[in-house]
Amino acid sequence: NAGVTQTPKFRVLKTGQSMTLLCAQDMNHEYMYWYRQDPGMGLRLIHYSVGEGTTAKGEVPDGYNVSRLKKQNFLLGLESAAPSQTSVYFCASSLVREQYFGPGTRLTVT
Amino acid sequence: GENVEQHPSTLSVQEGDSAVIKCTYSDSASNYFPWYKQELGKRPQLIIDIRSNVGEKKDQRIAVTLNKTAKHFSLHITETQPEDSAVYFCAAHSGTYKYIFGTGTRLKVLA
Repeated sequence: NAGVTQTPKFRVLKTGQSMTLLCAQDMNHEYMYWYRQDPGMGLRLIHYSVGEGTTAKGEVPDGYNVSRLKKQNFLLGLESAAPSQTSVYFCASSLVREQYFGPGTRLTVT
Repeated sequence: GENVEQHPSTLSVQEGDSAVIKCTYSDSASNYFPWYKQELGKRPQLIIDIRSNVGEKKDQRIAVTLNKTAKHFSLHITETQPEDSAVYFCAAHSGTYKYIFGTGTRLKVLA
């Protein structure tokens, strides 16, 4: 049982490049979330999903898109990366209340 | 908007002393309050949680208290050890599936 996994672990992008972060969970959880973590600002919700085929905006959705085509996967896309998107990105999933986090992706945009 | 305030932002205690971290939430619909511990370079991990129908919960050296009237909840760590050093986050959750996190407390336990 791997729990929540994320790929890649690290990535460096140039301004304007695009990329997709993949989150996978094997716990059959309905709810999945993408957060970004910046120093002194805690975890901020980017987008979330309450089930396969659904997505919703969180606190800081601008510049990101998401898709949940399969229940176990939640993809986060950056269409045109900006230096302000340099951050650590965490995916999480939950059944009802308790959230389980992935190991994180450290993204640097130069 | 909804927010969670967390204090202090940094806390240093001597090994064996107690540590207390406090959070205040704004959304009166919040009914679940988890606490996460995050070690350097690692993922946040749930250490204890409390639901709105309970005033206090303990698990060995850690405890959480909730005052719904004042919209306050606190994490208490007793007999602190060096391995307790980490960043601790509180969060508030309502039925909207969204969690609002505090900004974190960096706890240092001095040996």
